[in-house]
Amino acid sequence: QVQLQESGPGLVKPSETLSLTCTVSGGSISSFYWSWIRQPPGKGLEWIGYIYYSGSTNYNPSLKSRVTISVGTSKNQFSLNLSSVTAADTAVYYCARHPTPYTDFDSWGLGTLVTVSS
Amino acid sequence: EIVLTQSPGTLSLSPGERATLSCRASQSVSSTYLAWYQQKPGQAPRLLIYGASSRATGIPDRFSGSGSGTDFTLTISRLEPEDFAVYFCQQCGSSPRTFGQGTKVEIK
Repeated sequence: QVQLQESGPGLVKPSETLSLTCTVSGGSISSFYWSWIRQPPGKGLEWIGYIYYSGSTNYNPSLKSRVTISVGTSKNQFSLNLSSVTAADTAVYYCARHPTPYTDFDSWGLGTLVTVSS
Repeated sequence: EIVLTQSPGTLSLSPGERATLSCRASQSVSSTYLAWYQQKPGQAPRLLIYGASSRATGIPDRFSGSGSGTDFTLTISRLEPEDFAVYFCQQCGSSPRTFGQGTKVEIK
């Protein structure tokens, strides 16, 4: 059973870059798509973007100018960078897996809360 | 962008009752690309239904999904105590992928 685990700073200052890593265990990142999704406290879910293990990406247009998703230097990791953050970027950030660009998220990480504050 | 509108916002029911949750899309969504998730406090969402009507692995048969085009429904035939949670619909056929705002099923 694949497991996903998000990691990274829980506090980021306004205007700085939020950086998170998702580590995949119990399976390979090969042949799957990997997304980042966020959920502001008490609110709904917003898809941020995905990466294919080969490196191709697709981002939500609402965040595209600030987002970079990349495959990590370690074989089973991928990362999220979100630049120029504001308080509106405070959220629980999840990583999730999907078999194709057009399928549901069948495995999720537990999520990590990132607060943007000075 | 496809907007998904869920109703009602909150459903107050008793264990053993039937729950019917609605998800309406701003434009047609192929059934293949409509999913439902359950989320409990402090937990990640869990996939319940994919392809509008197929149950994910390990999901009890009291959960069922239906619908097509712009109107989709999640039905819980008899609520168990562990079913009280928030439910989200999601479309994955058009980019950006979007979620509904959620329906909270609470104990009456």
